[in-house]
Amino acid sequence: QVVLTQSPSASASLGASVKLTCTLSSGHSSYTIAWHQQQPEKGPRYLMKLNSDGSHFKGDGIPDRFSGSSSGAERYLTISSLQSDDEAVYYCQTWGTGIRVFGGGTKLTVL
Amino acid sequence: EVQLVETGGGLIQPGGSLRLSCAASGFTVSNNYMSWVRQAPGKGLEWVSVIYGGGSTYYADSVKGRFILSRDNSKNTLYLQMNSLRVEDAAIYYCAKDGIISDPGWFDPWGQGTLVTVSS
Repeated sequence: QVVLTQSPSASASLGASVKLTCTLSSGHSSYTIAWHQQQPEKGPRYLMKLNSDGSHFKGDGIPDRFSGSSSGAERYLTISSLQSDDEAVYYCQTWGTGIRVFGGGTKLTVL
Repeated sequence: EVQLVETGGGLIQPGGSLRLSCAASGFTVSNNYMSWVRQAPGKGLEWVSVIYGGGSTYYADSVKGRFILSRDNSKNTLYLQMNSLRVEDAAIYYCAKDGIISDPGWFDPWGQGTLVTVSS
């Protein structure tokens, strides 16, 4: 079964950029994933679907500051020009027949 | 506008049952894949169950045999019947539209969630 691994925390300064990583388990490097954002005390929000070739499909209203890329088993979410309301937990998620899987989430602190 | 509204959460004793509802608007539930996801207090997201457009259902091992996912096409509503509830089932439960008909798997949009508390 596929497993997604994320660092528990990350931090970056206001106005800077940050790159979050989601790693697919061995044998699953071709999987497509999705990124979701969960701001404090709010429900999750879909950001984008990210394919193994780096192509990505963003949700409605997601700013251009959010982008995705891929390399091997790694899937990345880059947020540029960080704003205070980007402070949130970011989850990666993938799927197979009859199963959906989440990573543990990365809590992003904007300094 | 595509929207999901969950209801039915509340306080229930261990061993009890509860039925959650997820009313959809802006699209047809019966044609689409739909999932339930939960989040225990202070924890990450955990997928619970999915129903396929054709009606097949799948469950996480943690709820298999206790939870039942169904839908009422006439009401455009998804349900999660939760039986034999345990303390560890306490969480906010979200429903989500599961991809698109030709490309399921990713959650968009999400509902606002409904809180289930399991305590004596």
